[in-house]
Amino acid sequence: AQSVTQLDSQVPVFEEAPVELRCNYSSSVSVYLFWYVQYPNQGLQLLLKYLSGSTLVESINGFEAEFNKSQTSFHLRKPSVHISDTAEYFCAVSDIGGTSYGKLTFGQGTILTVHP
Amino acid sequence: EAQVTQNPRYLITVTGKKLTVTCSQNMNHEYMSWYRQDPGLGLRQIYYSMNVEVTDKGDVPEGYKVSRKEKRNFPLILESPSPNQTSLYFCASSPMGVGEQYFGPGTRLTVT
Repeated sequence: AQSVTQLDSQVPVFEEAPVELRCNYSSSVSVYLFWYVQYPNQGLQLLLKYLSGSTLVESINGFEAEFNKSQTSFHLRKPSVHISDTAEYFCAVSDIGGTSYGKLTFGQGTILTVHP
Repeated sequence: EAQVTQNPRYLITVTGKKLTVTCSQNMNHEYMSWYRQDPGLGLRQIYYSMNVEVTDKGDVPEGYKVSRKEKRNFPLILESPSPNQTSLYFCASSPMGVGEQYFGPGTRLTVT
């Protein structure tokens, strides 16, 4: 069975400061990894994903995440946050070839609040 | 526009009154799924469907039913809703199941 742990439930930061949202996972098989973002009163949007290849993946709005297989982590980072980044962020994993075909297992979510 | 739609977006109902939340996607995706979101628990899968007429339970299927008679539609049925089913529900679809999923806007259900 797969599981995802987001180590911080809330992260407050000031505008233009760097931020890291931590995500650890466990799985008995290889995985795909995702970060989704949920803005207030909206659905989930894919922020970035790791399927294969380079372990560092980037989004169009300046976020990046690095897949670390040895530490089973997929932390999300941004060097300088903006007020508009205020949202809840979810880390998710999907087994490759496991019995739980297609299922996304989500972490508990991290609420990022950017203060002026 | 490629999208997943859900209806209704908001629903307040009473215990025991059967309800259906509809989900439709226009991307010709094989895989569809329902999740519920609760504070501090993230999203948990209720049911999923790999293709028409093929459905299976997720992590929290109790009290829910689904059907997949057409590729584009995947309704979620609560035969006898209870207050512990008060939650935010999301439908999602994916081309092949494995990989990213596209989410609908959510349905906020309150059962009193």
